[in-house]
Amino acid sequence: GEDVEQSLFLSVREGDSSVINCTYTDSSSTYLYWYKQEPGAGLQLLTYIFSNMDMKQDQRLTVLLNKKDKHLSLRIADTQTGDSAIYFCAESSTGGGNKLTFGTGTQLKVEL
Amino acid sequence: EAGVTQSPTHLIKTRGQQATLRCSPISGHTSVYWYQQALGLGLQFLLWYDEGEERNRGNFPPRFSGRQFPNYSSELNVNALELEDSALYLCASTLKGGSNQPQHFGDGTRLSIL
Repeated sequence: GEDVEQSLFLSVREGDSSVINCTYTDSSSTYLYWYKQEPGAGLQLLTYIFSNMDMKQDQRLTVLLNKKDKHLSLRIADTQTGDSAIYFCAESSTGGGNKLTFGTGTQLKVEL
Repeated sequence: EAGVTQSPTHLIKTRGQQATLRCSPISGHTSVYWYQQALGLGLQFLLWYDEGEERNRGNFPPRFSGRQFPNYSSELNVNALELEDSALYLCASTLKGGSNQPQHFGDGTRLSIL
């Protein structure tokens, strides 16, 4: 079955880069997503990558995908206090009826 | 353009009661997904509706049910509420079901069972 894992916490200083990692098990994953959740809010779609790509850049965000190792990462350049939130990795597969399988979420804390 | 809207924001019920949660998708989106975010259990897929039909269901008991209306809005009904149903219920929508379109989420309904 599908399984998605993330580390629980990450603490960085303002201005540094943050790298949030994710591993997944489903080799039939077609799309991989990163969502951001702020306290009391829903999920904000940050970016996503198709499984035949290995990198995608969108302003301060860079997604790297290593399909062989089933490893996905999200790099946030010049991290700001407003980036403090929980970040979820999610995957969807053609056999999953388009449902998303989420990781546990990584709580990012940005310190001054 | 309005995003996914959910109502109510908060809902307080007691054990054994029934709860109804509502979701309006982004204009033009025809697929609606429901997820449960319970403390300690993470985000779990509940139901997927597309073109008025239930297309996929997560590992939840039958007392979790729903429907999708002709205008593509959706309701999630939870019968015989139990304490462990306390959670944030999130709704998401996509342009077209089953095509790996990215899912856009609402802010959720927080259901508390006393």
